[in-house]
Amino acid sequence: LAKTTQPISMDSYEGQEVNITCSHNNIATNDYITWYQQFPSQGPRFIIQGYKTKVTNEVASLFIPADRKSSTLSLPRVSLSDTAVYYCLVGDGGNQGGKLIFGQGTELSVKP
Amino acid sequence: NAGVTQTPKFRVLKTGQSMTLLCAQDMNHEYMYWYRQDPGMGLRLIHYSVGEGTTAKGEVPDGYNVSRLKKQNFLLGLESAAPSQTSVYFCASSYETGTWRGNYGYTFGSGTRLTVV
Repeated sequence: LAKTTQPISMDSYEGQEVNITCSHNNIATNDYITWYQQFPSQGPRFIIQGYKTKVTNEVASLFIPADRKSSTLSLPRVSLSDTAVYYCLVGDGGNQGGKLIFGQGTELSVKP
Repeated sequence: NAGVTQTPKFRVLKTGQSMTLLCAQDMNHEYMYWYRQDPGMGLRLIHYSVGEGTTAKGEVPDGYNVSRLKKQNFLLGLESAAPSQTSVYFCASSYETGTWRGNYGYTFGSGTRLTVV
């Protein structure tokens, strides 16, 4: 399974756009890139998933360059409620039993 | 539509005691997982199951056993609890997906906080 590297922590202010970059140099051809959000005392929550180029939903955007060795989660105009830990994961969900390996994640702190 | 339900939410055990954590999902998911989360660390996979009657080891399986007798339930057992097993335990489930189909987003339960004294 591909290993990911992301910053341990980030700080931001309300209303700013936040970009969290994840490196996954060993990503395999069949791997998808998935981001999760975890609030304190809660289980992680699926945010967004993509394979290449750009994916956008009501919560975030995911940018994936052509070589797919990294990806960037973009959170537009963050609020205090976006303070959470964000995990980047890669895997194909199929041949390896669907299991995903979580790293330490990025702890995002949004300040007023 | 409850999603993934974990019971109990909190538990305190004495060293050497045994207990079972129950995970139930109502989404007809094939895959189920047990993770543990410790302070300052991400989630670590304990065991997982790719279907009813199947189980497999994850990253940190020692000291735990699991069973998947019914598709909707995944049980995590501690036969002889140790203080090192003090942690927050999360259960998750997902659809089985083949290569290229993607969208294997996990649904997590709200966790079980276990303290072993």
